[in-house]
Amino acid sequence: TQLLEQSPQFLSIQEGENLTVYCNSSSVFSSLQWYRQEPGEGPVLLVTVVTGGEVKKLKRLTFQFGDARKDSSLHITAAQPGDTGLYLCAANQAGTALIFGKGTTLSVSS
Amino acid sequence: DAMVIQNPRYQVTQFGKPVTLSCSQTLNHNVMYWYQQKSSQAPKLLFHYYDKDFNNEADTPDNFQSRRPNTSFCFLDIRSPGLGDAAMYLCATSRGGNRGGEQFFGPGTRLTVL
Repeated sequence: TQLLEQSPQFLSIQEGENLTVYCNSSSVFSSLQWYRQEPGEGPVLLVTVVTGGEVKKLKRLTFQFGDARKDSSLHITAAQPGDTGLYLCAANQAGTALIFGKGTTLSVSS
Repeated sequence: DAMVIQNPRYQVTQFGKPVTLSCSQTLNHNVMYWYQQKSSQAPKLLFHYYDKDFNNEADTPDNFQSRRPNTSFCFLDIRSPGLGDAAMYLCATSRGGNRGGEQFFGPGTRLTVL
């Protein structure tokens, strides 16, 4: 059974702090996505990583795909209240449906 | 802008009264998905269409049905909603030839069952 484990499940921090969210599995994936979901809205795709060791940056967000393509991390620098939301990692093997981690609920207070 | 649209955004129904949720897309994607999401949880896949090919998840209750009359539209029918079916229902799409990978989500329909 493919399983994506996200940690931490909940994170509450002050504006300006840094944070890292992890997404781990024992399975190898062909691609992995990170989504952000605000309350009452659908998930919005932030990034897709496909190559082992790949690092992508999106403003203050840095995404990394593990060398073995089994895990990923999302690092946010100098978090802002607008970063508040549910962060979901999702991944698939070729030809299979996307599986989601359980998500990390981030709350950034000013 | 190309997008995934869901109507209505909020739906209230009564216990046992059938309800239909709608999804349309202007992305011209081959694959359309329906997910159920409960509070602070990950989306749970109910079923998906690859073109006209319907794929039901093994644990999706028979109470949930879907129709895809054309590429652009997909419907979720809940035949006899129970209190436990109250949730956010998300529609998503992805490109043809790719059953997984990047998915593009609509804003969701919040279903309340009274």
